Amino acid sequence: QVQLKESGPVLVQASETLSLTCTVSGFSLTNYGVIWVRQPPGKGLEWMGIIWRNGNTDYNSALKSRLSINRDTSKSQVFLKMNSLQTDDTAIYYCTRALAYWGQGVMVTVSS
Amino acid sequence: DIVMTQTPLSLSVAIGQSASISCKSSQSLKYSDGKTYLNWVFQSPGQSPKRLIYQVSKLDSGVPDRFSGTGSETDFTLKISRVEAEDLGVYYCCQGSYSPHTFGAGTKLELK
Repeated sequence: QVQLKESGPVLVQASETLSLTCTVSGFSLTNYGVIWVRQPPGKGLEWMGIIWRNGNTDYNSALKSRLSINRDTSKSQVFLKMNSLQTDDTAIYYCTRALAYWGQGVMVTVSS
Repeated sequence: DIVMTQTPLSLSVAIGQSASISCKSSQSLKYSDGKTYLNWVFQSPGQSPKRLIYQVSKLDSGVPDRFSGTGSETDFTLKISRVEAEDLGVYYCCQGSYSPHTFGAGTKLELK
């Protein structure tokens, strides 16, 4: 069955770079894209970016100068990297396939 | 970027009543392939989100037919007939027609 699982550090220092991994199973990254979505505590969902099945990427306009999404299809992994973190980047970070299948999310706290 | 405006932001309903949520986009969501990529996503407290409806009106597998989606171009509606306790939470519309994709602010469905 389709599964996605996020992994990465739960605490990051301000100004540093966040690196998260989404490991998928039950489907191939060459057949489906993967989206990253985040949710600050008590707030709504924010679409961050997508890596399409052909490897192309699109990003949230407000984040694109700091964000990159890549993948390793042989390992079924999608990677998110975001630099220059600030405290308002504290959020639950989710990866999802087409919004239909979601990981459990990883809570990332940015400490000043 | 396309702005998704949801109303109301909060809705109180009694069990068994119906509920309706509006979502308006700042431009038409009809894509060049003729399809309209408007999704409805639901998040119950403490849980990962899940998609209920895609392409305006298509129900995801397992979604009760109490849920229905209508609309076109820039105006969309999610209707829940006969609200049940498990329906309480936050509903988001999300457009996937044009990158970057964007979420509405969310509508919190509460018990009256």
